[in-house]
Amino acid sequence: SQQGEEDPQALSIQEGENATMNCSYKTSINNLQWYRQNSGRGLVHLILIRSNEREKHSGRLRVTLDTSKKSSSLLITASRAADTASYFCATDLNTGGFKTIFGAGTRLFVKA
Amino acid sequence: GAGVSQTPSNKVTEKGKYVELRCDPISGHTALYWYRQSLGQGPEFLIYFQGTGAADDSGLPNDRFFAVRPEGSVSTLKIQRTERGDSAVYLCASSLRRRLAGDSSYNEQFFGPGTRLTVL
Repeated sequence: SQQGEEDPQALSIQEGENATMNCSYKTSINNLQWYRQNSGRGLVHLILIRSNEREKHSGRLRVTLDTSKKSSSLLITASRAADTASYFCATDLNTGGFKTIFGAGTRLFVKA
Repeated sequence: GAGVSQTPSNKVTEKGKYVELRCDPISGHTALYWYRQSLGQGPEFLIYFQGTGAADDSGLPNDRFFAVRPEGSVSTLKIQRTERGDSAVYLCASSLRRRLAGDSSYNEQFFGPGTRLTVL
């Protein structure tokens, strides 16, 4: 079964608004990543946060990680129509092995 | 150079047939991953290669699935006796260097466009 679970499953906002997506996971991790997938295209890595970090920024992206709650959030500020995509969190487990586990994703639609 | 490429982009086959899906990673990337993605779901890990060897094949669903990477570059995912439930997009990703188990370091995975497999 998949490790990460995102919520909401779908999100529709107006251009210029902020979008927040949440991810929860179940077991100990080394790091957590967020990816974007546009319709019909491959995944693109957005940002990584390590297990000993609590917050990270990259441009209009802000990621938080709470290892005590086993959760992360991705905030996209001042959204644009081009941000319309599916967003996935992914975790590298800290249990040996080399699995990267993805959640089911949040489908974001930004209306112009 | 070029990104990760996958061939074919689409494959339609009949139940019970054998298929091979190919992945060409970014040149110089020693790590390679295979995933499959069903509609409305996130990618599901299948197998991870370090160089030529499969370092973690725990995601392969059963023994009908097998993958090779004989020269540490191109990889082929092989599916025997295909079933309708195998229909999905199969994604390949590569990253620059090997990871150590339990290591918190990370190398970004670069994904290919995928092969859409349809089993009729």
